[in-house]
Amino acid sequence: GNSVTQMEGPVTLSEEAFLTINCTYTATGYPSLFWYVQYPGEGLQLLLKATKADDKGSNKGFEATYRKETTSFHLEKGSVQVSDSAVYFCALRGGGTSYGKLTFGQGTILTVHP
Amino acid sequence: DVKVTQSSRYLVKRTGEKVFLECVQDMDHENMFWYRQDPGLGLRLIYFSYDVKMKEKGDIPEGYSVSREKKERFSLILESASTNQTSMYLCASRDRVEPRGQNSPLHFGNGTRLTVT
Repeated sequence: GNSVTQMEGPVTLSEEAFLTINCTYTATGYPSLFWYVQYPGEGLQLLLKATKADDKGSNKGFEATYRKETTSFHLEKGSVQVSDSAVYFCALRGGGTSYGKLTFGQGTILTVHP
Repeated sequence: DVKVTQSSRYLVKRTGEKVFLECVQDMDHENMFWYRQDPGLGLRLIYFSYDVKMKEKGDIPEGYSVSREKKERFSLILESASTNQTSMYLCASRDRVEPRGQNSPLHFGNGTRLTVT
């Protein structure tokens, strides 16, 4: 079956530091890959996505590249802000008639200090 | 903007009670989902529905049932609540996806934090 593994958290950084959150996956077929973010007290929001190999998703300064050869979709940001403090989830959607089900990683808590 | 509304933000129930968690979306989406979120486990799919009166088990359906009588409403039911069902419950919806279309994102509600004592 499908699975997603994220790096262990929590991650604590100072403002303007470089961020990497690792994500690897196992899936059959041609999955689409997503990063969702959950700010305190809120539901999840889509941050970025990539639907085929070598695609790069980007949004709000965050980037992730779909690497089929390493089955990875690592999230990066060059300079984090305090407002980026949140929980980040990597997810995949399998191909075929999956009705849009997503398989999520365990989530990584990011805290950014001024 | 898509709005997914979960009726309660916090709920406290006793062991053995029947519990209803309600979710309503306002964008005429066909697909709706119930996940539970637990620390260290991420989100796990309980049930989903791809159309009115249609439902499918997710990865952890035991102890839960669902109801989808109208397109906009998807209810999660705990027939007899137990302490191991204490969790954050997240509802989500999305537009129907054609067989190879995978671009439509999930839209989530803000969650219901259920405590079973």
